[in-house]
Amino acid sequence: QKEVEQNSGPLSVPEGAIASLNCTYSDRGSQSFFWYRQYSGKSPELIMFIYSNGDKEDGRFTAQLNKASQYVSLLIRDSQPSDSATYLCAVNGMDDKIIFGKGTRLHILP
Amino acid sequence: DAGVIQSPRHEVTEMGQEVTLRCKPISGHNSLFWYRQTMMRGLELLIYFNNNVPIDDSGMPEDRFSAKMPNASFSTLKIQPSEPRDSAVYFCASSYGTVPGANVLTFGAGSRLTVL
Repeated sequence: QKEVEQNSGPLSVPEGAIASLNCTYSDRGSQSFFWYRQYSGKSPELIMFIYSNGDKEDGRFTAQLNKASQYVSLLIRDSQPSDSATYLCAVNGMDDKIIFGKGTRLHILP
Repeated sequence: DAGVIQSPRHEVTEMGQEVTLRCKPISGHNSLFWYRQTMMRGLELLIYFNNNVPIDDSGMPEDRFSAKMPNASFSTLKIQPSEPRDSAVYFCASSYGTVPGANVLTFGAGSRLTVL
């Protein structure tokens, strides 16, 4: 059973600080890794994806991947109240099956 | 583009009734996924299609659930008979998957199902 694990939170971060979200996965054959944001009552929307070891930056967001440790993270710099949401980690295996973690609730404190 | 379109947005039904959820994927997308989301279990993959063909339905909870994709622009998820434990938000998502292993999903707005 392929699994994606995330700390459910809530993770509280002061406005302007860096929020760090983590995810681990069980399937070593996984190829691509995604971070989605979901506001309450809304559908998930893509923030960014990564498939090579290392860091990938997009604006205030940085995704980090370590395949040896089976670990993915998302850093949000200069956190804003509008970043308060649930962040979902998703993993795309060799079979194109996309499995989601249960998500981490992030709360940015004004 | 109108995005992924799901209907109905809300459905309230009684136990034992048949429920049909519908999805129109984004034109040109060749993969379609059905997910179910609850507070307890998170976002669970039920089934996914590639080029209208079901690839993996191992997430379908039991025989009461069935899904079809008769053409590239339409898919249905049917529950018969429905039970209270089926109450959840059901999401449809599509992707173009240009690179194997890199499916970027676009989600519909979801169908909130309540079974009394």
